[in-house]
Amino acid sequence: QQQVRQSPQSLTVWEGETAILNCSYENSAFDYFPWYQQFPGEGPALLIAIRSVSDKKEDGRFTIFFNKREKKLSLHITDSQPGDSATYFCAASTGANTGKLTFGHGTILRVHP
Amino acid sequence: DAAVTQKPRYLIKMKGQEAEMKCIPEKGHTAVFWYQQKQSKELKFLIYFQNQQPLDQIDMVKERFSAVCPSSSLCSLGIRTCEAEDSALYLCSSSTYWGGAREQYFGPGTRLTVL
Repeated sequence: QQQVRQSPQSLTVWEGETAILNCSYENSAFDYFPWYQQFPGEGPALLIAIRSVSDKKEDGRFTIFFNKREKKLSLHITDSQPGDSATYFCAASTGANTGKLTFGHGTILRVHP
Repeated sequence: DAAVTQKPRYLIKMKGQEAEMKCIPEKGHTAVFWYQQKQSKELKFLIYFQNQQPLDQIDMVKERFSAVCPSSSLCSLGIRTCEAEDSALYLCSSSTYWGGAREQYFGPGTRLTVL
């Protein structure tokens, strides 16, 4: 059973548009949700994260919207740039425990200039 | 920027050989995690160390892997007998405790190819 699901599998947007990446989860105990950005040949880099006590987290062009009742969250990337082209992973953990992360399959984002 | 170091970056082994990869966590981090990533898909949790002690691991690691953190500045993950299915990117992360959540920072990974 996939505990963290991401959609779409891949997304193409034009430079300057807003990219919306979706994530949903099964485990109600998850309370910490980081998003990671991964470029080919590199390890994932922490982009932005939200805790379940919040419904929104913003950092520059990146914003997480969180809906605890529906167990859904989304990452919005405004003013998308070609350099944003990467794979984005939604992850989840129960902060009270080990903190091990459960990852989704990722969304491949392509930003065309 | 976080600085988790992993060595070697690339590792090629024949089926049946032993493999070992190392991780230097970010200074001051007390938790170290290992994940396996195949074909750029989702990361799969393998094992977790807190203050150099293994506290959580999946069955595959118990059966076929060896993992230790002999010091706070060095951890290693080994595969006793490599199989083709072990070909993957092995990622190490370290974390700091922050307000009930753990921010994990990843190294560049060791890409293992088993022939």
